[in-house]
Amino acid sequence: GENVEQHPSTLSVQEGDSAVIKCTYSDSASNYFPWYKQELGKRPQLIIDIRSNVGEKKDQRIAVTLNKTAKHFSLHITETQPEDSAVYFCAAGGGNEKLTFGTGTRLTIIP
Amino acid sequence: GAGVSQTPSNKVTEKGKYVELRCDPISGHTALYWYRQSLGQGPEFLIYFQGTGAADDSGLPNDRFFAVRPEGSVSTLKIQRTERGDSAVYLCASSPNKGTQETQYFGPGTRLLVL
Repeated sequence: GENVEQHPSTLSVQEGDSAVIKCTYSDSASNYFPWYKQELGKRPQLIIDIRSNVGEKKDQRIAVTLNKTAKHFSLHITETQPEDSAVYFCAAGGGNEKLTFGTGTRLTIIP
Repeated sequence: GAGVSQTPSNKVTEKGKYVELRCDPISGHTALYWYRQSLGQGPEFLIYFQGTGAADDSGLPNDRFFAVRPEGSVSTLKIQRTERGDSAVYLCASSPNKGTQETQYFGPGTRLLVL
């Protein structure tokens, strides 16, 4: 089955700097890669997703890149703000079936 | 519109007891998923429904776990003879499941504690 690895497990950046979180996956059949943000005690919320026919997608300060050949994808957050502090999860799946999640990255923005 | 809802929000039970966790998906969403999230971990897949039928139950850890979705809307996750290791947050998600509309929207979860 699919295996998703996520790095780093914790990340601290100065407010205004950029943050990058990386994930790798194992199943070449996966074609859908969402990123979720989860605040303490809250539900995971989708922040951006990418499909395998696209190499990069951007939404304001958030961007995701995908390299299908290398089976890795990354989340980039620019101009970080204190409200970006949360746990971020990458996931892989496709065909409206199950998602396999990474182990999460705890992002802390230092004011 | 209303998002995915789950009840109860918290459940405390004793080892060996039976529990039921309920999920109300977003109206019109045909796909429904159950995940389990342990502390400090990502959600772990349990079971996926397409309509009333379980399309994939490969994530259910053992036969103490069972889920139903009899009318293709509300789903109930049932755990028999609970064990302390079952303690976790149980998350439900739903999806429109129409072509590329595959975003999974999560509920707030049920925090299960088995004493």
